[in-house]
Amino acid sequence: DTGVSQDPRHKITKRGQNVTFRCDPISEHNRLYWYRQTLGQGPEFLTYFQNEAQLEKSRLLSDRFSAERPKGSFSTLEIQRTEQGDSAMYLCASSYLAGDQETQYFGPGTRLLVL
Amino acid sequence: DAKTTQPNSMESNEEEPVHLPCNHSTISGTDYIHWYRQLPSQGPEYVIHGLTSNVNNRMASLAIAEDRKSSTLILHRATLRDAAVYYCILRDEYFNFNKFYFGSGTKLNVKP
Repeated sequence: DTGVSQDPRHKITKRGQNVTFRCDPISEHNRLYWYRQTLGQGPEFLTYFQNEAQLEKSRLLSDRFSAERPKGSFSTLEIQRTEQGDSAMYLCASSYLAGDQETQYFGPGTRLLVL
Repeated sequence: DAKTTQPNSMESNEEEPVHLPCNHSTISGTDYIHWYRQLPSQGPEYVIHGLTSNVNNRMASLAIAEDRKSSTLILHRATLRDAAVYYCILRDEYFNFNKFYFGSGTKLNVKP
């Protein structure tokens, strides 16, 4: 078990550019979550997948954001036409729902800076 | 989702016990109490969770008040590696599987 991995760990981009982040969950985890975290705040839920289906999206997820999880394995989060307000840490978490219990395992995050 | 209230920061001495409080006065009967912590430059990690009874694991203990309106995470012997932000989260395991709502958490500083 290698844990949840995210790539890249850091990304610097200019305003208006598109960026894509990747998350590789723990194998056999059927749920995958994306969160955004700004300085001094806790993570905020963005969206989640059960297998390949995207089941819920936060109002924080504007139409410039899109997430996919093809084949129910890795996931990508794309931000189009980045804005300075998108600067944050983007965290991915995966879990396996067993009965009514669920523990989320987080990756190290991708830190985005939009100049 | 029910909200939680935690102190912004706490300080402890190394090798002493730490009691991190959390108030959740609007907790519902099906809300589980979860604790996660986030070490510097890392993603959050699971610590412990419970429903009604006190819980113990290798990392910590969770003491839940009888009326469930508050809980306390107990680190029995704080080490420097326990310096982190600790989040108390309520999650409805029966009706709302998906989201964890993190507040601002408690930043724990451990002094040598």
